[in-house]
Amino acid sequence: SQELEQSPQSLIVQEGKNLTINCTSSKTLYGLYWYKQKYGEGLIFLMMLQKGGEEKSHEKITAKLDEKKQQSSLHITASQPSHAGIYLCGADGFNDYKLSFGAGTTVTVRA
Amino acid sequence: EAQVTQNPRYLITVTGKKLTVTCSQNMNHEYMSWYRQDPGLGLRQIYYSMNVEVTDKGDVPEGYKVSRKEKRNFPLILESPSPNQTSLYFCASSPRVGVYGYTFGSGTRLTVV
Repeated sequence: SQELEQSPQSLIVQEGKNLTINCTSSKTLYGLYWYKQKYGEGLIFLMMLQKGGEEKSHEKITAKLDEKKQQSSLHITASQPSHAGIYLCGADGFNDYKLSFGAGTTVTVRA
Repeated sequence: EAQVTQNPRYLITVTGKKLTVTCSQNMNHEYMSWYRQDPGLGLRQIYYSMNVEVTDKGDVPEGYKVSRKEKRNFPLILESPSPNQTSLYFCASSPRVGVYGYTFGSGTRLTVV
């Protein structure tokens, strides 16, 4: 299965500031997913990236997949308290059907 | 409403007492899978199913069983639960692997004493 490393492990940002989370794979990514989780609750699907160089945006969240398809970033512009939570990147295996996840990045937004 | 439904949400049980956590999806998805989430270890896949009667092991299958007799249901069975299976469990489904995103259930918090 894929091994995904997320950085940073956690971050605290002032409301209104931007933030970026990175997800790096040891193998070429077949499909890369970003999810958000409130502590102890279910995962909410944010975006899926498949093609090298692909970029998708939803409201104030933008995700990119690099050309080599081994690294993805999630960028939040002008953060709000509603952006607080745990962000997880996940990826399908290249030759199998296992979905692996990074350890997650905990985002705290200070008013 | 399209969703993945897990039951129960919370469960406290004793070591060795067989239990089943149910998972049902109403989206006619082919793919379903189970995960456990533990502090410091993240989300780990237990079992997955590509379609009815097709199941395969994930990364941490020991101590768990699954079945996929109907497309919509994918129960997780713990024949003899042990304290190290105390965890937060999630079920997920997808129309097709690698093409669409995965929809997750709300989670089942299991405590084995």
